[in-house]
Amino acid sequence: RKEVEQDPGPFNVPEGATVAFNCTYSNSASQSFFWYRQDCRKEPKLLMSVYSSGNEDGRFTAQLNRASQYISLLIRDSKLSDSATYLCVVNGGSYIPTFGRGTSLIVHP
Amino acid sequence: GAVVSQHPSRVICKSGTSVKIECRSLDFQATTMFWYRQFPKQSLMLMATSNEGSKATYEQGVEKDKFLINHASLTLSTLTVTSAHPEDSSFYICSARPYVATANTEAFFGQGTRLTVV
Repeated sequence: RKEVEQDPGPFNVPEGATVAFNCTYSNSASQSFFWYRQDCRKEPKLLMSVYSSGNEDGRFTAQLNRASQYISLLIRDSKLSDSATYLCVVNGGSYIPTFGRGTSLIVHP
Repeated sequence: GAVVSQHPSRVICKSGTSVKIECRSLDFQATTMFWYRQFPKQSLMLMATSNEGSKATYEQGVEKDKFLINHASLTLSTLTVTSAHPEDSSFYICSARPYVATANTEAFFGQGTRLTVV
């Protein structure tokens, strides 16, 4: 089983839609969690950290479920500019970031 | 946020030659840098962890004699792809961790280097 698993998609949604991505991780000792966004041929950029209590940043909401070892990202009111690959990142031992393969989102008019 | 500069952003080289990629932390000291490789439509795969002043730790399946890593200072790590072959063509990205880091410290990435071996 891979350490961090994501559905690669692509998720093809119209503008204004709500879309949710899930990510599961295998290491129960993982300490911190992030969602990154990666545009084609660019480096990943931090979208948001994920906390046990859940956190929201504008149209984006992240949730962590430690018991089930998954994290989620919800995007409301999708914009064309949200089209990208969303990477789930888990910090395990020694704080080494481990990446999921990413979920591709395509928002169309 | 912290800035990590990676150079070059794009390189095309002939098969059999070596290519050096630099990763610099511009406004912080990085005791640890990570080197990743990403093939099309794949995730970032950790190649090695580089610690300042010591030998890099390579992930299983990554040839240390082919991918030479040097982390001679707190702000610079280099990756040299030796005797490059077309199958080494990929997107290489470095990531730096600040000297003072916790589990909640995000990863700061360089801009990436797209290597094409012809």
